[in-house]
Amino acid sequence: DSGVTQTPKHLITATGQRVTLRCSPRSGDLSVYWYQQSLDQGLQFLIQYYNGEERAKGNILERFSAQQFPDLHSELNLSSLELGDSALYFCASSASGLSGNTIYFGEGSWLTVV
Amino acid sequence: TQLLEQSPQFLSIQEGENLTVYCNSSSVFSSLQWYRQEPGEGPVLLVTVVTGGEVKKLKRLTFQFGDARKDSSLHITAAQPGDTGLYLCAGACRRKLVFGAGTILRVKS
Repeated sequence: DSGVTQTPKHLITATGQRVTLRCSPRSGDLSVYWYQQSLDQGLQFLIQYYNGEERAKGNILERFSAQQFPDLHSELNLSSLELGDSALYFCASSASGLSGNTIYFGEGSWLTVV
Repeated sequence: TQLLEQSPQFLSIQEGENLTVYCNSSSVFSSLQWYRQEPGEGPVLLVTVVTGGEVKKLKRLTFQFGDARKDSSLHITAAQPGDTGLYLCAGACRRKLVFGAGTILRVKS
């Protein structure tokens, strides 16, 4: 158990819909990361927050947005969903946002768009 | 295009064999990490290498960081079925941790 909690574990939704994925970081970790993992793209970095502020941005689509709340939990919002958005979405956390810090991954939220 | 190229993509070997997985890039990284991911779980950090030429050992796993900090290798001695999984390398670059596509390792008993 990494200490990072993600909900829901599985989600099936239709194209055009909107979903919210939730993440609770490890106790004391200030930095939260979101990754998307698919068979054809591998593990892709989406976005990072540190203590409520956006720290780094990766290959995140405009239809996707995220935020980190004062209690440090984070949400990833995916809207106007397309079939290609079907993937495993991971949240990870680390103590700080520095490179080389140990990053702990949650078990992921499996999104299926039909 | 992957910033980090891993090879081979797939590896199926018998228990007791040795293997090496490679992670190559044209970019220099301040640090490089190796993760193992099992089905239904998130990646778990195995090791972080920081210094060019660094070698770290974790039981039967040996990790090496290239002198120029652009590449790394993971060598497993006497592989066990429990080593089966997806091995990912990740490099720290411009505040981002970028991952290679991974090597799927299957160790048959």
